[in-house]
Amino acid sequence: AQSVTQLGSHVSVSEGALVLLRCNYSSSVPPYLFWYVQYPNQGLQLLLKYTTGATLVKGINGFEAEFKKSETSFHLTKPSAHMSDAAEYFCAVSDSTGGGADGLTFGKGTHLIIQP
Amino acid sequence: GAVVSQHPSRVICKSGTSVKIECRSLDFQATTMFWYRQFPKQSLMLMATSNEGSKATYEQGVEKDKFLINHASLTLSTLTVTSAHPEDSSFYICSARVQRGAKETQYFGPGTRLLVL
Repeated sequence: AQSVTQLGSHVSVSEGALVLLRCNYSSSVPPYLFWYVQYPNQGLQLLLKYTTGATLVKGINGFEAEFKKSETSFHLTKPSAHMSDAAEYFCAVSDSTGGGADGLTFGKGTHLIIQP
Repeated sequence: GAVVSQHPSRVICKSGTSVKIECRSLDFQATTMFWYRQFPKQSLMLMATSNEGSKATYEQGVEKDKFLINHASLTLSTLTVTSAHPEDSSFYICSARVQRGAKETQYFGPGTRLLVL
């Protein structure tokens, strides 16, 4: 069974500051890891994903995440926060690149607040 | 990129009625679609996996007779909430999986907000 833990249901940072959203996972097989963003009343948009290869993954909007197997983590970062980054962020795990036979297992989400 | 649409985007219905939600892949064929539900301020929970031409596979705890899924074509899956009750009020999101060669990608629809009075 797979699970995802996102530490902190709310994270608040100042505009221009570093964004760090934490994600830890558990999986019995090598995981495929995803970060999605959800704006109010909208569906999910894929930010980035890790499948195999380079452990530092770059995504859209300046976000990146690093897969650390020893720490079972896949934290999301952005060097400088922008007001438009305010949204809900979900970390997800799967046992295949697209979603696997069982779909994705999501964390509970982290609401990112950007202070002006 | 690939686009997945859902209709309606928002629906309000009376308790006891049935509601159908459509999920369409607009520019690609999807042999597999997934249905998720999201309660306010909570994560998405996978409800079922919908495979074209065969019965859906439901997650544990999801009533298949209440949440009817039909994947009639490679571009359309429908979720019908039968005899809806207020506790069924939620945000329902579908996703469609496309495979190109060895690479799979999953695209999400914009979601349907259901409010049962």
